[in-house]
Order: sequence, then C-alpha cells, then structure tokens
Amino acid sequence: VMTQSPATLSVSPGERATLSCRASQSVRSNLAWYQQKAGQAPRLLIYGASTRATGIPARFSGSGSGTEFTLTITSLQSEDFAVYFCQQYNNWPLTFGGGTRVEVK
Amino acid sequence: EVELVESGGGLVQPGGSLSLSCETSGFPFSSYWMHWVRQVPGRGLVWVSRINSDGSTTFYADSVKGRITISRDNAKNTLYLQMNSLRVEDTGVYFCARGRLVGPSWLDYWGQGALVTVSS
Repeated sequence: VMTQSPATLSVSPGERATLSCRASQSVRSNLAWYQQKAGQAPRLLIYGASTRATGIPARFSGSGSGTEFTLTITSLQSEDFAVYFCQQYNNWPLTFGGGTRVEVK
Repeated sequence: EVELVESGGGLVQPGGSLSLSCETSGFPFSSYWMHWVRQVPGRGLVWVSRINSDGSTTFYADSVKGRITISRDNAKNTLYLQMNSLRVEDTGVYFCARGRLVGPSWLDYWGQGALVTVSS
C-alpha cells in the first residue's frame, strides 16, 4: 500500500512544495512520481526515486528509498499546481498512492 | 513523437461487455510491455492489467481477474481490453500506458483516456 501525505498542500507561487509517499513495505528505489492536471493523463516526472524523466524541469527532484520518499518542487510555477501521484514498481501489482493536490495558497 | 489514442468507451449496463482499443505510434510497439490503468474521475489511479511485448504473458488486478482480457496486435501497433460481466465499480477513465522492455516499471507515456460508465 502506498500512502501519500498531505492530501492537499497549499503553497504560494515561488515557494517550495514537499510531498511525501510511504510504502507499507520496502520498494527499494522502484518508485515513480506523476503529475496530473484536470482532464489530462498523468505525466511521468521521476523514476528510480530520483531520476527526472525526459523534459522535466530541474525544479522537480525526488529522493528516498525503501519505504519513505519525497518529491520536492522548488519555486512553484503556475503550471505546477496539479495532483501528484507516487507509484511503486518493485512488484506486481503496480500500485499508486492516493495523490496529493497542490493548490494555490 | 510517441502517441497513444484510446477508443471504445461508453455507457453499458451492469453485466454487459465493452471493448477498448489503444492505437499507438512513434515507437517500436512490439518491444514494449503495455498496461491499462483506471481512474474514477476525481479519484486515484488503479492499475488494471499488463501484457508483455509479444503477448505471451498477461497479468491482472484481482478485482478484474476472469472478467477482463488484455491483448495486443503488434502488426497493427494496437492494444486491447475486452471487458465482460461489467460491474458498477468498473466505472472510470481507462488509460493505456507504455511500460518498459521487461518487468514491472514506471509508465512513461499515457493515452488521453476512454470513459467507461457502468450503470443501469
């Protein structure tokens, strides 16, 4: 089970956002992060817990291993307000966290 | 450019059947594992099924096992999902997504989704 916190994060543009994802058992570094905007498909941000996907800005960074993971967005831009999901791929079935909504404070 | 385009969604009564397709382009389809993921609008993501690159192995979430079949046609670069004995709880937007060349993985490209509504 993947658990994300907080459910909603209120942040002002230009500030830093820190999102957490916890696994009920170790998934090593087999963790990905996605961003989803309303009416759109999820977009891969991070895989391998800390590797940015192609085209993802450097203000997005991931860290952690085992059961505790963090997605950090430095200096939030207007286009970053969205829902973020974590996903483990250490074993089947693939499982996602419930999501964190990042909203404008 | 990698593209995945789902089709076939719609309204179906409980117990009914529906088939989804996912046409792909821009990458060597026959080399990649492919997946289906469901999302209830406004809610989280639930992985549904995956198929390996040549279609010889499949795997399903427990909630759909025995009712849903994933398949692919590598000559047509197309992924399919046949859904039978549909339940209200199968309602959601179904996304097809590209995995990696082997094994469980992140999903790097997604289609825009197809809405399936199961209701009487």
